[in-house]
Amino acid sequence: GENVEQHPSTLSVQEGDSAVIKCTYSDSASNYFPWYKQELGKRPQLIIDIRSNVGEKKDQRIAVTLNKTAKHFSLHITETQPEDSAVYFCAALSGSARQLTFGSGTQLTVLP
Amino acid sequence: DAGITQSPRHKVTETGTPVTLRCHQTENHRYMYWYRQDPGHGLRLIHYSYGVKDTDKGEVSDGYSVSRSKTEDFLLTLESATSSQTSVYFCAITRDIVNEQFFGPGTRLTVL
Repeated sequence: GENVEQHPSTLSVQEGDSAVIKCTYSDSASNYFPWYKQELGKRPQLIIDIRSNVGEKKDQRIAVTLNKTAKHFSLHITETQPEDSAVYFCAALSGSARQLTFGSGTQLTVLP
Repeated sequence: DAGITQSPRHKVTETGTPVTLRCHQTENHRYMYWYRQDPGHGLRLIHYSYGVKDTDKGEVSDGYSVSRSKTEDFLLTLESATSSQTSVYFCAITRDIVNEQFFGPGTRLTVL
């Protein structure tokens, strides 16, 4: 089955700096890669996704890049703000029932 | 929130007792999932469903069973709860075609 690895597990940045989280996946058939943000005590929320026919996607301060050859994808957050502090999860979709396999998460802390 | 509710939201039970968690959706989605979330493990798939009475096992299915007799309801049962099943349980649906997966609010289960 699919295996997703995520790094780093914790990341601290100064407010206004950029943050980058990286994931690798194993199943070359995976074709959809979402990112979720989870605040303490809340459900994971989909923040951005990318499909295998696209190399980069942006939405305001967040962007995701995908390298299918190397089987890795990354989340980039620019001009970080304290409200960006949360746990971020990457995932890869495979299987006939649209199953997602998740990375183990990155705790992002934005220091004021 | 994709019209997903979970009940109960919190439950404390004793080892050896049966427990059933309910996930209810209002948007008639075909695919539904049960995950558990534990520190250091991210989100792990327990069982999933791809239609009424169509279910299959995920990564961590031992000790759990599911049923889906109606499109809108997906039940997760712990036949005999153990302390290792103390966790936060999330239900999710996938919006078909676009593959976007959305989560319910979660159920915090404590097995004493």
